[in-house]
Amino acid sequence: SQKIEQNSEALNIQEGKTATLTCNYTNYSPAYLQWYRQDPGRGPVFLLLIRENEKEKRKERLKVTFDTTLKQSLFHITASQPADSATYLCAPLNQAGTALIFGKGTTLSVSS
Amino acid sequence: DSGVTQTPKHLITATGQRVTLRCSPRSGDLSVYWYQQSLDQGLQFLIQYYNGEERAKGNILERFSAQQFPDLHSELNLSSLELGDSALYFCASSVGTSGFTDTQYFGPGTRLTVL
Repeated sequence: SQKIEQNSEALNIQEGKTATLTCNYTNYSPAYLQWYRQDPGRGPVFLLLIRENEKEKRKERLKVTFDTTLKQSLFHITASQPADSATYLCAPLNQAGTALIFGKGTTLSVSS
Repeated sequence: DSGVTQTPKHLITATGQRVTLRCSPRSGDLSVYWYQQSLDQGLQFLIQYYNGEERAKGNILERFSAQQFPDLHSELNLSSLELGDSALYFCASSVGTSGFTDTQYFGPGTRLTVL
């Protein structure tokens, strides 16, 4: 069955460092991959979408990579700030974009 | 604030009961999506409606049903409730022209507790 795995442990880093979150998938060939941010008790907020033919995508301090050979996406936050503390979810989409599976998320804590 | 509203915010009910969750999409959005988020399963897609028609179905139980009305608001009906249905239920909306690759805007959620 299709499986999405994100860093299972919470990630704790110092302010100013780069946070790297991992999303691995198996038995799945997504055409797109989305990343969301979720704060406690709130709905997810869309951050970035990357297509299978894009190796990398950037938005301000965020960078996402998509390696279809490794079946992995990496999500980087550079110059991290305490305000970046949240849970980050990855969501691969199939070609038709009609199946949406979310990873369980990685909780990032940035300390000052 | 995403512009998506959900009511009620909290709902406590008993096993075997039926509840209705309501969602109003952002102005101009034609697609509505429903999700369930529980601690053990994470966020799961349930169903999508586009302009009143069902467009995509995920892991939605037969005890659950949804509809989208002409004014584009949507309702998710959960019946014969079980303890395991306790979860956060999110509604999201999007413009709707490109399916899931459209940016989805999530509401604040309804927390359902089944006792």
